Amino acid sequence: GQSLEQPSEVTAVEGAIVQINCTYQTSGFYGLSWYQQHDGGAPTFLSYNALDGLEETGRFSSFLSRSDSYGYLLLQELQMKDSASYFCAVLNSGNTPLVFGKGTRLSVIA
Amino acid sequence: ETGVTQTPRHLVMGMTNKKSLKCEQHLGHNAMYWYKQSAKKPLELMFVYNFKEQTENNSVPSRFSPECPNSSHLFLHLHTLQPEDSALYLCASSQDFKVAGLSYEQYFGPGTRLTVT
Repeated sequence: GQSLEQPSEVTAVEGAIVQINCTYQTSGFYGLSWYQQHDGGAPTFLSYNALDGLEETGRFSSFLSRSDSYGYLLLQELQMKDSASYFCAVLNSGNTPLVFGKGTRLSVIA
Repeated sequence: ETGVTQTPRHLVMGMTNKKSLKCEQHLGHNAMYWYKQSAKKPLELMFVYNFKEQTENNSVPSRFSPECPNSSHLFLHLHTLQPEDSALYLCASSQDFKVAGLSYEQYFGPGTRLTVT
């Protein structure tokens, strides 16, 4: 079967750095995606890692270790608007191409 | 604005009603998806269409019936729903489903918040 684990909630201070971890179990693995969803909004794509290493896009970075079946999303210089739910999602060769985790609710406090 | 629109945004229906959810994408994508999002649960894939062909039905009850008349439009027909079907129903699209690695970036609509009474 397929499974993803990520923390359910994380709280961090404005201006700080936060890391949201994701571990997964799947077959036919292609890569790991991250999505952001604000309350009442649609999930929006943030990043995708197919190869090991760190991908940086502005304040957000995403990391993948295929050998450890592990990845993380790193958010720097946190802003209040970053308060949202963050989902990791595994892309695989199965009939369900993108399998989502349960999401991590990030609260940014002043 | 993601290029994927859904109507209605909110829907309240009784268990004996029949209603339809509509999704339209303006991105030129070939794959479209229906997801169910319930509180405290991961996004659950319900149906996948690729080039108008249904490629996946994730053991969804028959009271949910999808329709994809063309690559830009997707419907979800609802009938005799149960209260546990109350959830946010999200439509998404991506470039292609069957070409490996092209469906990692999915574009989601705003969803329809469904309440079954």
